[in-house]
Amino acid sequence: NAGVMQNPRHLVRRRGQEARLRCSPMKGHSHVYWYRQLPEEGLKFMVYLQKENIIDESGMPKERFSAEFPKEGPSILRIQQVVRGDSAAYFCASSPLGGPPNYGYTFGSGTRLTVV
Amino acid sequence: KQEVTQIPAALSVPEGENLVLNCSFTDSAIYNLQWFRQDPGKGLTSLLLIQSSQREQTSGRLNASLDKSSGRSTLYIAASQPGDSATYLCAVRAGGETSGSRLTFGEGTQLTVNP
Repeated sequence: NAGVMQNPRHLVRRRGQEARLRCSPMKGHSHVYWYRQLPEEGLKFMVYLQKENIIDESGMPKERFSAEFPKEGPSILRIQQVVRGDSAAYFCASSPLGGPPNYGYTFGSGTRLTVV
Repeated sequence: KQEVTQIPAALSVPEGENLVLNCSFTDSAIYNLQWFRQDPGKGLTSLLLIQSSQREQTSGRLNASLDKSSGRSTLYIAASQPGDSATYLCAVRAGGETSGSRLTFGEGTQLTVNP
């Protein structure tokens, strides 16, 4: 039973390019969460998605960032026109169907984005 | 707004020592609290999950306690080993219909266990 799979593990983009980060939740999990860890800072919530539905995007920057979780395939976090300040580790977590409060989260290994 | 604080920010101990990591949170209306371990350049490994109705959880040499009313949790590590060296993160899952979906993390305690 594979855990939460994120790819790529490392991503280098030039300023102005687009970054696409992918996350496949654990088998049986239909809730996906994205978190960002800036250098020397803690993890911050970005967005919570269910299949074909954004539930809570209150942590997402208003511009250039978007997320989706289609019916088929992984969840995608897209960052358009990247800037140096977007350099961070982006973590995805998943939880089981229904996302009951008493379940813990399982995190992926993260994607480390470097903008040059 | 929920805020999570971890003390100390860094800790260095000799091998074999017992140690306590502290976590405090400002809003006691939580569903649960989870302790994670993060190794440099790696993802998060869940260590212990404590539900709001529980007072402690144990796994091997690890014991986590929760005092919800005072907004505190501790992670106790017995007989520390060099392999325990990592950053330990505390995260709370707050109550509320929408906000209950997210974790609020502390900034972590960086632990070094010296052989």
